[in-house]
Amino acid sequence: LAKTTQPISMDSYEGQEVNITCSHNNIATNDYITWYQQFPSQGPRFIIQGYKTKVTNEVASLFIPADRKSSTLSLPRVSLSDTAVYYCLVGDRGNTDKLIFGTGTRLQVFP
Amino acid sequence: GAGVSQSPSNKVTEKGKDVELRCDPISGHTALYWYRQSLGQGLEFLIYFQGNSAPDKSGLPSDRFSAERTGGSVSTLTIQRTQQEDSAVYLCASSPLGAPVVADTQYFGPGTRLTVL
Repeated sequence: LAKTTQPISMDSYEGQEVNITCSHNNIATNDYITWYQQFPSQGPRFIIQGYKTKVTNEVASLFIPADRKSSTLSLPRVSLSDTAVYYCLVGDRGNTDKLIFGTGTRLQVFP
Repeated sequence: GAGVSQSPSNKVTEKGKDVELRCDPISGHTALYWYRQSLGQGLEFLIYFQGNSAPDKSGLPSDRFSAERTGGSVSTLTIQRTQQEDSAVYLCASSPLGAPVVADTQYFGPGTRLTVL
């Protein structure tokens, strides 16, 4: 069963870069790494997904080292609206036993 | 286009009553998922549909919980004889591919907040 570990919470200030690391030591060859963001009273929203190296989109970057046992979500220049819970998922195309969002990382951005 | 919608947005019921929660996925999405999120907790996977069939019901917490999907579209999650521990936000998500995928982007609805008194 795939297991991920993330920090429970993080604090930051507006304009800073925030890096949230997820550990997934038992990642399998076919597994992808996906991050979701959840605001209060809303369902999670897809942020970014990657398999290896680095992926960047308009919202964030995802850094994955060669051994893929961890990944880092990087949010550049956060604003107050980035205050949310961030979930890391690891899994492939075929296993609902990996649909585990866990408790995520609660990011609080201060002015 | 329209996203995933869920109804009702809030439901208050008395212990022992049955409730039905509805999910309208994004048109054309083959896969549909139900999750439960208790206050301050992560999401708990309940059940997954591929088309109208549910190959994985392993997450349903008890036989009081059931779900169906018709026409490859709308899904209903039914909780019979509700208990106070059933109080939570029930989230529905859909994804375009027809397989239980973590790697497939899931689009979530706003959820139904269920309160059992």
